[in-house]
Amino acid sequence: GAGVSQSPSNKVTEKGKDVELRCDPISGHTALYWYRQSLGQGLEFLIYFQGNSAPDKSGLPSDRFSAERTGGSVSTLTIQRTQQEDSAVYLCASSLWTGGESTQYFGPGTRLTVL
Amino acid sequence: SQKIEQNSEALNIQEGKTATLTCNYTNYSPAYLQWYRQDPGRGPVFLLLIRENEKEKRKERLKVTFDTTLKQSLFHITASQPADSATYLCALNTDKLIFGTGTRLQVFP
Repeated sequence: GAGVSQSPSNKVTEKGKDVELRCDPISGHTALYWYRQSLGQGLEFLIYFQGNSAPDKSGLPSDRFSAERTGGSVSTLTIQRTQQEDSAVYLCASSLWTGGESTQYFGPGTRLTVL
Repeated sequence: SQKIEQNSEALNIQEGKTATLTCNYTNYSPAYLQWYRQDPGRGPVFLLLIRENEKEKRKERLKVTFDTTLKQSLFHITASQPADSATYLCALNTDKLIFGTGTRLQVFP
C-alpha cells in the first residue's frame, strides 16, 4: 500500500516568511510524528499526535513552530517568520500506535532552505 | 541527562567482513530498542526490534543484541556488502521513540 508522503519535497524561502509542510500518513495509523534533521545530524523530535489525545509538543524549538492534524489523518507543520537556522530536512513518520512495539514508517522528508 | 550515543565516526569495512555498530544509552530503561537504516536523501527504514527480555534477535544477515545491564545494544551485519553502506540509527521506546545520532557504515569492495 501507499507509504507516508510529504510535500513539497523541497522548499526554498526567504528569511521571515512563513512555510507550511504537509504530511500524509499511512491510512489507519493513529500516531504521527514530526522530526527535524540537520545536515549530518540525528533526528530531532518535534511533535507527535496520537489519536484524539492532546499532542506532545515538547520538542518544538520555539513558538514559531506549530503543527496540526486534521481529521486524524493529514498533518501540517507551520514555521512562522523562518530563520536560517530552520534550514533542515523535516521528516514525518506514522505508526499504528505509540509506545510498545510500534515501529515508525517515515516519509521522504521536506528539505527546507531559508535564505 | 538522558542520552543515546552512537559512534559518530564512520565505520569503514571491507566487503565480506562483519560490521558491528554500537548504541549506548544512559538514564533510560526502555522496554524495546529498534534499529533503522537511513540512506542519503531518504527517511529511515525500520530493520529490527528487540525486547528487553531478549538477548538477541536475528534477521537474515542482521543480528541485534540488547544488554540492559550494560545499557548497550550491538548491531551486526555479517558478510557485509557495498549495498549495506548507509547510516544506521538506534532508537529507544519511552513514551515516544528517541533516536540516536546514527553511525555511517561504508562497505568497500
